[in-house]
Amino acid sequence: RKEVEQDPGPFNVPEGATVAFNCTYSNSASQSFFWYRQDCRKEPKLLMSVYSSGNEDGRFTAQLNRASQYISLLIRDSKLSDSATYLCVVTVGGSARQLTFGSGTQLTVLP
Amino acid sequence: GAGVSQSPRYKVAKRGQDVALRCDPISGHVSLFWYQQALGQGPEFLTYFQNEAQLDKSGLPSDRFFAERPEGSVSTLKIQRTQQEDSAVYLCASSLEGQGVYGYTFGSGTRLTVV
Repeated sequence: RKEVEQDPGPFNVPEGATVAFNCTYSNSASQSFFWYRQDCRKEPKLLMSVYSSGNEDGRFTAQLNRASQYISLLIRDSKLSDSATYLCVVTVGGSARQLTFGSGTQLTVLP
Repeated sequence: GAGVSQSPRYKVAKRGQDVALRCDPISGHVSLFWYQQALGQGPEFLTYFQNEAQLDKSGLPSDRFFAERPEGSVSTLKIQRTQQEDSAVYLCASSLEGQGVYGYTFGSGTRLTVV
């Protein structure tokens, strides 16, 4: 079983739609949580951190449920430029917080 | 430099050939990570350096993989006797420190194809 599991998609949605991605993680000692965005043939880039209280950044809302070991990302009013792969990422404490990635969920926003 | 620089951008190797991939992190970044990303998968951790010390190499898939960072800045990932299953994008990331408090910056990666 992978440490971080995501629905691979693809999600094909029309412009303006609301789309939600879910992610589960297996290590209860996980300490930090992120969503990264990766465009085709590009490097991953941090989209947002995820906090237990939930957090919002413009059209993007992230939620964390530590009891269920579940993370979500909601994108409202999706734009063509939101088309990308969204990677759920966790870190476990230690000498270095290496990032553990899910396989990613592919999103295509259609005109 | 302004970002993490990786070279070469693309590498085609014949099976059995040795390859060396270079990562030039952001100046002053203490921590450096190598990841391997196979097609359709998320990046997987290979190894971690704090300055010149390799503190974690638990993700290296075999003893054909070797990484170094002798002066605590530039790092090289070497793969000996490449196999087809080594075909992947190799990503380097650096951070000001090891806990990711200030975030991680990824390079554009080296796409390795073993034929």
